[in-house]
Amino acid sequence: DGGITQSPKYLFRKEGQNVTLSCEQNLNHDAMYWYRQDPGQGLRLIYYSQIVNDFQKGDIAEGYSVSREKKESFPLTVTSAQKNPTAFYLCASTPYGAASEAFFGQGTRLTVV
Amino acid sequence: DQQVKQNSPSLSVQEGRISILNCDYTNSMFDYFLWYKKYPAEGPTFLISISSIKDKNEDGRFTVFLNKSAKHLSLHIVPSQPGDSAVYFCAASARNYGGSQGNLIFGKGTKLSVKP
Repeated sequence: DGGITQSPKYLFRKEGQNVTLSCEQNLNHDAMYWYRQDPGQGLRLIYYSQIVNDFQKGDIAEGYSVSREKKESFPLTVTSAQKNPTAFYLCASTPYGAASEAFFGQGTRLTVV
Repeated sequence: DQQVKQNSPSLSVQEGRISILNCDYTNSMFDYFLWYKKYPAEGPTFLISISSIKDKNEDGRFTVFLNKSAKHLSLHIVPSQPGDSAVYFCAASARNYGGSQGNLIFGKGTKLSVKP
């Protein structure tokens, strides 16, 4: 079955540590996105990538980094510079370069302890 | 500055009645609008969309209406069912402009509760 897989579903991190969230898709989609959801907030765009080896900052990129070495994979690193990393992180992909019906993964809940 | 606004954080409806979820936008470049449904601790799933060349799109119990002059869209669910209880996100993009303009901009969501 085609889809987007995010792992792990739950992640705990100590303050000051970097952590990487995985996102893999087998839909052959060109574009991939990372969003963050906080309680009472919408989905805010962190980073996006429309083609391999290229990515752009979204609205809240500070404290995050990404790579897009393969079409199928778009990992997100939450660095120690991110002041409020506890959140629900969602990865998405679309079949075209611009947004269409985005398909989402199941999300990763990151908690800083 | 929010470009997509869902001013009602929550809505409660009786089973069998109509649910109306509202969304307003400010960017006149938006030409494509979507509704997503989200359960707790899960990713959003696509529900229905509408292009700016239309004013209505229907899919089963779900209908989206677009009023471009008012920069307003609404999602109607008829009849509402308990399984419809979820958070509904409105999203918009300037798809025809390409590049970063095509990224989806989401509202903050409306939590719908359908009571049996």
